[in-house]
This record gives sequence, structure tokens and C-alpha cells, in this order.
Amino acid sequence: EGQLVESGGDSVQPGGSLRLSCAASGFPFNNYAMTWVRQAPGKGLEWVSYISASGGSTYYADSVQGRFSISRDRFKKTLYLQMSSLRAEDTAVYYCAKGPTVTKDDAFDIWGQGTKVTVSS
Amino acid sequence: SSELTQDPAVSVALGQTVRITCQGDSLKNFYASWYQQKPGQAPLLVLYGENNRPSGIPDRFSASISGNTASLTITGAQAEDEAEYYCNSRDSSGKHFFGPGTTVTVL
Repeated sequence: EGQLVESGGDSVQPGGSLRLSCAASGFPFNNYAMTWVRQAPGKGLEWVSYISASGGSTYYADSVQGRFSISRDRFKKTLYLQMSSLRAEDTAVYYCAKGPTVTKDDAFDIWGQGTKVTVSS
Repeated sequence: SSELTQDPAVSVALGQTVRITCQGDSLKNFYASWYQQKPGQAPLLVLYGENNRPSGIPDRFSASISGNTASLTITGAQAEDEAEYYCNSRDSSGKHFFGPGTTVTVL
């Protein structure tokens, strides 16, 4: 079925940087687009960023455009989210998700357990 | 438009039927997918496309679409169905977005 395991969450000061990782197993990682989704405390889900299977296409939410960068390592089967110029409003649990998956009508069919990022002075 | 709207909360008696709706212009062109999230847990895909359930999702969950409104129906709601439910769709640029979520309470 597949598994995703995020890591890298931490407490960081405003203006700081952080890199999140998402290790994939149990499915052909290199064949699938991947996505980051976040959830601020007590709030709903917010789509953050997308990367195509090849890594050649990336998209970002307006709220993180220019500050966050998504990438993937096909050999390590790992997805990354490089976050810089962090703000208090970036505080959230960050989930990685497999997809959007064409064969599942653009759904996200596997999710990690999440990693917590806190931005505070 | 990249906005999806959902009712904030609905309640259903145990064993009865409840429908959750998700409205947005994107749904005229792209399918919705639906995610169940229980407190302290990651989201779980429960429905996608026209009316498809991933393996392991009970058949009491079903989806439908009419115009710009997608619906999730639970027929014979169980206590374990109490959760937050989010719809998701995309726009033509490839960006995705979630609805604000609907809290389902099983009485």
C-alpha cells in the first residue's frame, strides 16, 4: 500500500529556515507526483505545494510562493520542503501526500503522519 | 475560482443517513476527493472521482456530483464515522485547494 514518514519539524524563530523530509516506501515513488499539505492548530487543511513525478513541474500556494521550495530525490525516495523566511502563520503540522494521482482522479491516496513546525520568538 | 464551501457541521443519528456538500466552480470541470480526519490523525482518503472508494473504505460511503456541487453521503452512519470531512479539488493551473471542512457528529 505504501508509507510516508515525515521528519524535520522543529521550533524556529521568525525569519528562520527549516527543511522537511518525507521518506517514501512500498510504492514506486519515482512514478508519482507528490504534495505537501499543512494544518495550522485548530484549523483546516491547506494545500502548500506540488511536484510532478519527474520533478520538472512545481506549484505553490500563494501564501508560500517565493519562500518555500519543493524537491525530490529519486534515489533516496524522499520528498523535501525547504522553508525560509518563516512567519508565525507558517506554524502547522505539515503532511506529505502521494498524489495527485491520475488513476485516482487527482486524489491524494497516501498520507504521512505529519511533522510539527512552530514559528515563534 | 479556487474556493470550495462546506457546511460547518452536521449531525446524524446512529444508523441514519447524512449528506455533506461541497460547492465550487472548479467542480464543474474537476472531480472532488473527500478526506476523513479524526482528532490527532492524518487525513484519510475516503472517496474520489465520480464515486470511487479506496480499498478498505466501507460501502456506506458514497459520492455524487451535480453541477458545481459534490456530495458525500454516509448511509447508515456508525459511531466511528464521527470526524471532520474535507473536500478537495483543483484548478486548471494544477493548484489544489481544500474546503473548510464539515464536522460530522453521530448522535
